[in-house]
Amino acid sequence: DQQVKQNSPSLSVQEGRISILNCDYTNSMFDYFLWYKKYPAEGPTFLISISSIKDKNEDGRFTVFLNKSAKHLSLHIVPSQPGDSAVYFCAASVRFGNEKLTFGTGTRLTIIP
Amino acid sequence: EPEVTQTPSHQVTQMGQEVILRCVPISNHLYFYWYRQILGQKVEFLVSFYNNEISEKSEIFDDQFSVERPDGSNFTLKIRSTKLEDSAMYFCATSGSTYEQYFGPGTRLTVT
Repeated sequence: DQQVKQNSPSLSVQEGRISILNCDYTNSMFDYFLWYKKYPAEGPTFLISISSIKDKNEDGRFTVFLNKSAKHLSLHIVPSQPGDSAVYFCAASVRFGNEKLTFGTGTRLTIIP
Repeated sequence: EPEVTQTPSHQVTQMGQEVILRCVPISNHLYFYWYRQILGQKVEFLVSFYNNEISEKSEIFDDQFSVERPDGSNFTLKIRSTKLEDSAMYFCATSGSTYEQYFGPGTRLTVT
């Protein structure tokens, strides 16, 4: 079951530069997308979300872009900070509501000071 | 800031034993979920719960699993007869009117 895919298992970025994390999905019924950040031995922490009626959502240093025709979303972090080093998961649900989430496999982001 | 809490943080049990994992949701949230993550694998949905009943469950959530909200505050996941393959991190999540799910820190379940 690979409905949500994060093809880059890891990414290293210099501090201060832009980090771009990518996510692809196959289920055209997905309508709501979220990004989570996870440190070891902790639960996922919600970062930002977007519903399919929008193509961009910004919150501080974090921006999520959604391209529905390509079934692709990305998370931009700018500027990247050392505390951003973590595993990032994208997740999706079939309705904009309180529905189960389908997660990707995660991308480990390392910010190099 | 309100947060989801889970107890215990780590549970070791023998195969065939029953375990109960506990979660205290964010106080004004009405939707509750359990997910698990086997080491090295994805976070997987187990079950969702609303208005004192199961809304949806995955094929992982078989007859060995049950959920309840026994006292209006705690939300529990019971595994009746644990198997080795139940070893995983179990995460409780809750959501409210803004839909994003907030996760607890997890319980590491080790079945020996």
